Amino acid sequence: GAGVSQSPRYKVAKRGQDVALRCDPISGHVSLFWYQQALGQGPEFLTYFQNEAQLDKSGLPSDRFFAERPEGSVSTLKIQRTQQEDSAVYLCASSLGSQVYNEQFFGPGTRLTVL
Amino acid sequence: GNSVTQMEGPVTLSEEAFLTINCTYTATGYPSLFWYVQYPGEGLQLLLKATKADDKGSNKGFEATYRKETTSFHLEKGSVQVSDSAVYFCALISDFGNEKLTFGTGTRLTIIP
Repeated sequence: GAGVSQSPRYKVAKRGQDVALRCDPISGHVSLFWYQQALGQGPEFLTYFQNEAQLDKSGLPSDRFFAERPEGSVSTLKIQRTQQEDSAVYLCASSLGSQVYNEQFFGPGTRLTVL
Repeated sequence: GNSVTQMEGPVTLSEEAFLTINCTYTATGYPSLFWYVQYPGEGLQLLLKATKADDKGSNKGFEATYRKETTSFHLEKGSVQVSDSAVYFCALISDFGNEKLTFGTGTRLTIIP
């Protein structure tokens, strides 16, 4: 497909479980972003990649959160020992990337519910 | 730090009414400003943008003007339709070296026929 895809679309985890969320960006997009959207709130930045380099991870809420993009394409956001406060929609976005602004295209999100 | 404050919702209007959703921002440097829209069951989409002061972004009948003197980027539409029902997010990027978006909390708009 032509857009950003994310899987799974829905994930239910028991507290303490590890989860892995996948993002497939638009082909050729250099920049990739992860955002967290709590219910009724706007998305909040988690981390940012340019190709395989993680340039900014200042938004990751704790060391339980880890993101990677080893080949500069697909990215995985991993959350270890999930807690109830991790329940949110996790959004991935990609852009062409460069020194000037390029539109970020968002995926449909993964809704994580931690019981 | 950077922040975006937007009009709290929900907002309910009749079809063909005039729409304004207020947005103000705090940012270092010279931010670029955006409105994103999330239609029911769909992902976030860019609606319009403005990258420098006094620029006007427009799309699908919506407009917003970048007002540096009032640090505002209010969204307007002259005549709304039922299909405009969605959640609208104001957002900014503070500089081009790091493209992370800072979003407002969103405004849910419902248009009734």
